[in-house]
Amino acid sequence: QLVLTQSPSASASLGASVKLTCTLSSGHSSYAIAWHQQQPEKGPRYLMKLNSDGSHSKGDGIPDRFSGSSSGAERYLTISSLQSEDEADYYCQTWGTGNVVFGGGTKLTVL
Amino acid sequence: QVQLVESGGGLVKPGGSLRLSCAASGFTFSDYYMSWIRQAPGKGLEWVSYISSSGSTIYYADSVKGRFTISRDNAKNSLYLQMNSLRAEDTAVYYCARSVAGYNWGQGTLVTVSS
Repeated sequence: QLVLTQSPSASASLGASVKLTCTLSSGHSSYAIAWHQQQPEKGPRYLMKLNSDGSHSKGDGIPDRFSGSSSGAERYLTISSLQSEDEADYYCQTWGTGNVVFGGGTKLTVL
Repeated sequence: QVQLVESGGGLVKPGGSLRLSCAASGFTFSDYYMSWIRQAPGKGLEWVSYISSSGSTIYYADSVKGRFTISRDNAKNSLYLQMNSLRAEDTAVYYCARSVAGYNWGQGTLVTVSS
């Protein structure tokens, strides 16, 4: 069964870096994922598509502070030089034929 | 730039129906798969359905299969979601998105199912 697992929360200081993790279920380590950001009271925004080899393609206007990487079944989103507007929920998403799955989301707090 | 604008949400009684629309602009609509995703109040994102660029391939989440119908009109650059037999647990903000991977999202439309 295709499942994505995310930690419910994370925190980091203003100006620091944070690395969020999304884990694919067993047998699905080759899958690409997408990362989305949802700021409070707003709709989601596509950040990037991240492949199993770590290559990624970002959405229009996404700052260079946002990057992605992969290791096995783990997919990472790194945000550097944290800003207050980065405080948001971050969701990973993957898909197979006839099925689309979202992780439970990670709430990022910028201290 | 890409714009997706949902409409058609509102308050409906259990067992009732609603039709959501999504007007697309800023890209070649007929080239892309399109998706509906929903978010219940205070909860995470839940995929609802997607449709291929031509409309020939359609999939639904088990939670809505047999009750919801996705469709598109490429001549009108529009995506639709017909929702029948609505339940309280269908209460959510409904988003349309470009592609299965969600390259762009609309602002959402709220559907409330309550007596």
